[in-house]
Amino acid sequence: GIQVEQSPPDLILQEGANSTLRCNFSDSVNNLQWFHQNPWGQLINLFYIPSGTKQNGRLSATTVATERYSLLYISSSQTTDSGVYFCAVESNNAGNMLTFGGGTRLMVKP
Amino acid sequence: DAEITQSPRHKITETGRQVTLACHQTWNHNNMFWYRQDLGHGLRLIHYSYGVHDTNKGEVSDGYSVSRSNTEDLPLTLESAASSQTSVYFCASSESVSPPYNEQFFGPGTRLTVL
Repeated sequence: GIQVEQSPPDLILQEGANSTLRCNFSDSVNNLQWFHQNPWGQLINLFYIPSGTKQNGRLSATTVATERYSLLYISSSQTTDSGVYFCAVESNNAGNMLTFGGGTRLMVKP
Repeated sequence: DAEITQSPRHKITETGRQVTLACHQTWNHNNMFWYRQDLGHGLRLIHYSYGVHDTNKGEVSDGYSVSRSNTEDLPLTLESAASSQTSVYFCASSESVSPPYNEQFFGPGTRLTVL
């Protein structure tokens, strides 16, 4: 099956700093989603981005499908950005089944 | 507002007991999914359904079963709970298998402890 690798596994930032999280995948995809799992365990949909670039406030994401990677940018980080960020992909003809990466654990310090 | 709910949110049970976790969505989505998340890891697919009376096994289906009698609900049953099934369980749904309607939306999760 498709392999999904996220980096870095852990990240500590000072409030106000910017960061880039990366997701590499091993096959063509027709779905790529970024999630934020908050400290209470809830999974929040951030982006549905199988290709192209999207922005939502301080967050933006870019997927370069031909090179099999996606990037999540967090600008001017806040303590509420803390948690785990997951990338999940669905390979072509996978019947809408998502494969999750191992996540990036982010801690933003005040 | 349309949503996806799970119940109970927390459950403690004993080894060998049958347990059923509920998942209910009001989006009228065709597809529903059950995942488990173990400490420090990403989510893994247990079972999924593309519509009423359709069910399929995922990556980690042993010891679990599902049934789909209507569009809104996909209950997950642990036939005989084992300590290895202690985990957080997430339900998800999506409208279609075809982009761009294949985005999945997740419920709040159920934390299950098997003693």
